[in-house]
Amino acid sequence: EDQVTQSPEALRLQEGESSSLNCSYTVSGLRGLFWYRQDPGKGPEFLFTLYSAGEEKEKERLKATLTKKESFLHITAPKPEDSATYLCAVQAGGSGNTGKLIFGQGTTLQVKP
Amino acid sequence: DAGITQSPRHKVTETGTPVTLRCHQTENHRYMYWYRQDPGHGLRLIHYSYGVKDTDKGEVSDGYSVSRSKTEDFLLTLESATSSQTSVYFCAIRGTSGGSSSYNEQFFGPGTRLTVL
Repeated sequence: EDQVTQSPEALRLQEGESSSLNCSYTVSGLRGLFWYRQDPGKGPEFLFTLYSAGEEKEKERLKATLTKKESFLHITAPKPEDSATYLCAVQAGGSGNTGKLIFGQGTTLQVKP
Repeated sequence: DAGITQSPRHKVTETGTPVTLRCHQTENHRYMYWYRQDPGHGLRLIHYSYGVKDTDKGEVSDGYSVSRSKTEDFLLTLESATSSQTSVYFCAIRGTSGGSSSYNEQFFGPGTRLTVL
């Protein structure tokens, strides 16, 4: 069964304290891995897509990396405005061209000033 | 901004009543999706559409139906709402990133908070 697991469930950091969020997946052929940011009361906001092991993408203080079994979202010197829930999703090979995504439960990040 | 709106944004209804949620997009995207988000479960796919009158089931489709009579509108109907359908519902469209059409990202609407009493 295709599955996505994110850890930790919650993370508290001091401003400037770098850390990483983990997304482990088991799918029958990975077609793509997606990272989203979700603020309270809002819809998920797209951040990155990763397609193959070894790929990396960066945006401001965020860097996403991908291996054959997991993805990491590295947050460098976070600021309070980075506080949000970060969601990971995968598109499995068995989904064909439907675009169907399987989401993890998310990591809620709180950055204190 | 992917040009997605959802209506209503909030709704409270009673068990057994029918409810229809609307998703509207302005950019002529072919694929549209309905998800529900619940604590402890994350986002789960209810139904999706790959064109006008073309729809299929997702992971948690029981108790829900959908219709798409126009490209821009995707409707989600709860025929007889139950308390277990209290949730936040998100619509998404599948955009284009300039790469392979197999890997397009999804962009989400603002959500509808539904409470079934």
